[in-house]
Amino acid sequence: DVKVTQSSRYLVKRTGEKVFLECVQDMDHENMFWYRQDPGLGLRLIYFSYDVKMKEKGDIPEGYSVSREKKERFSLILESASTNQTSMYLCASSPLRMGIGELFFGEGSRLTVL
Amino acid sequence: ELKVEQNPLFLSMQEGKNYTIYCNYSTTSDRLYWYRQDPGKSLESLFVLLSNGAVKQEGRLMASLDTKARLSTLHITAAVHDLSATYFCAVMNYGGSQGNLIFGKGTKLSVKP
Repeated sequence: DVKVTQSSRYLVKRTGEKVFLECVQDMDHENMFWYRQDPGLGLRLIYFSYDVKMKEKGDIPEGYSVSREKKERFSLILESASTNQTSMYLCASSPLRMGIGELFFGEGSRLTVL
Repeated sequence: ELKVEQNPLFLSMQEGKNYTIYCNYSTTSDRLYWYRQDPGKSLESLFVLLSNGAVKQEGRLMASLDTKARLSTLHITAAVHDLSATYFCAVMNYGGSQGNLIFGKGTKLSVKP
């Protein structure tokens, strides 16, 4: 089975703190994604990566950055957390290189920024 | 810009009844995915529909895709409580760089005895 592991299920941070959300997948997938999920807004794509050291902005990249130094690991960084970044963050991976296939999601990281 | 609309957004059903969730999308696409999310959990893939006329069935759930009508349906037969969850459809957006999935807002299904 594909396993996508997010390092932290629940985090509480203060405004202005730097936040790292880590995601690791064990199936050698080329594509990895970060989404945020908010009530009434569904899932929105923050960033995605189709190869090591490659990254592409999604629909809502402002206030976020990402890092993909190794194929299996994709990190989401909040340089200076703000209260409007309180959300559920979902990491996903996909096995197809050209074009996006089925996504496999991690368990999610629920971030609260005070 | 691809938009994906699901309806209804909330659905309360009695056990044993049938119902259909609809997923409409606004621009051409031939790939559609259905996911299930239990409360506090992540998304689990249910169906992958890759062509016009595709139909997939798993237990009491059946999904279909009509790319000409830009419509997918998720049909629930003889609902049981275990089907209570939020269901999302997601459509491949070929207009994006390397493509990405655009999700509907989800349909929260509650099946009552």
